[in-house]
Amino acid sequence: KAGVTQTPRYLIKTRGQQVTLSCSPISGHRSVSWYQQTPGQGLQFLFEYFSETQRNKGNFPGRFSGRQFSNSRSEMNVSTLELGDSALYLCASSPGGPNQPQHFGDGTRLSIL
Amino acid sequence: QQPVQSPQAVILREGEDAVINCSSSKALYSVHWYRQKHGEAPVFLMILLKGGEQKGHEKISASFNEKKQQSSLYLTASQLSYSGTYFCGTAGDSGNTPLVFGKGTRLSVIA
Repeated sequence: KAGVTQTPRYLIKTRGQQVTLSCSPISGHRSVSWYQQTPGQGLQFLFEYFSETQRNKGNFPGRFSGRQFSNSRSEMNVSTLELGDSALYLCASSPGGPNQPQHFGDGTRLSIL
Repeated sequence: QQPVQSPQAVILREGEDAVINCSSSKALYSVHWYRQKHGEAPVFLMILLKGGEQKGHEKISASFNEKKQQSSLYLTASQLSYSGTYFCGTAGDSGNTPLVFGKGTRLSVIA
C-alpha cells in the first residue's frame, strides 16, 4: 500500500510570493491534516479536511488556506510569503478523522529568502 | 492548548529505561504517541483513549491517567533504533477535535 505522498519535497521562494503544496493520502483515507513543523515548536496544526470539507482549523492567518478534492488529494496554499513561513510542512492522512492513527508524509521543506 | 512534554531531551545507554511524560491542562479524549527520526516523517506508535488504559508495543508501552490529564511513554531496555524525537498529541473531550502536539522529547540512545 503506497504511503502518503507530498510534492514537492523542497521549495525555495522569496517574500511576497505564493506557494501551493500537494498531498496524496493513502488510498481509502478520507481525512487529511496539515501541520507546520519548526525547530523548537513541534508540530503546529493548520487544518483538517474530510470529504472535501474543512472540519477543523488551527490558529494560522488567512494567508494559509487549503482544499481537498473528490479523490481525497489535498492542497495547501500560502500567499504573501513571509520569512517566518520557512518550515517543514507535513500532511497526514487517516481513514476517518484526527482520533485515528495519523500517517505522515515526508513533508515539503519550504525556505523563504 | 499545547501539552507539555518532559524531559525535553534524554541520553540513554543501550539497555537502559526511560519515561517520557505528557501533561495537559485540558480534559482529554485521547493521547497519541509518535516517533520522528531525523529527516524522516513522524511514525505512529500508539493511541490511548480516556479510561486510563495502558498499551504496549514491543518494549514500548504507555499509560493514560485521565484524572491527571497525563500520559507517560515507557521505553524499556532501549535499543539504538529507539533514538529520535517523541511527540505526544492530545485531542479534547469531544473526540473529533484536532490533535495538538507537544514540542517533543529528543531521545538519544548510545552504545
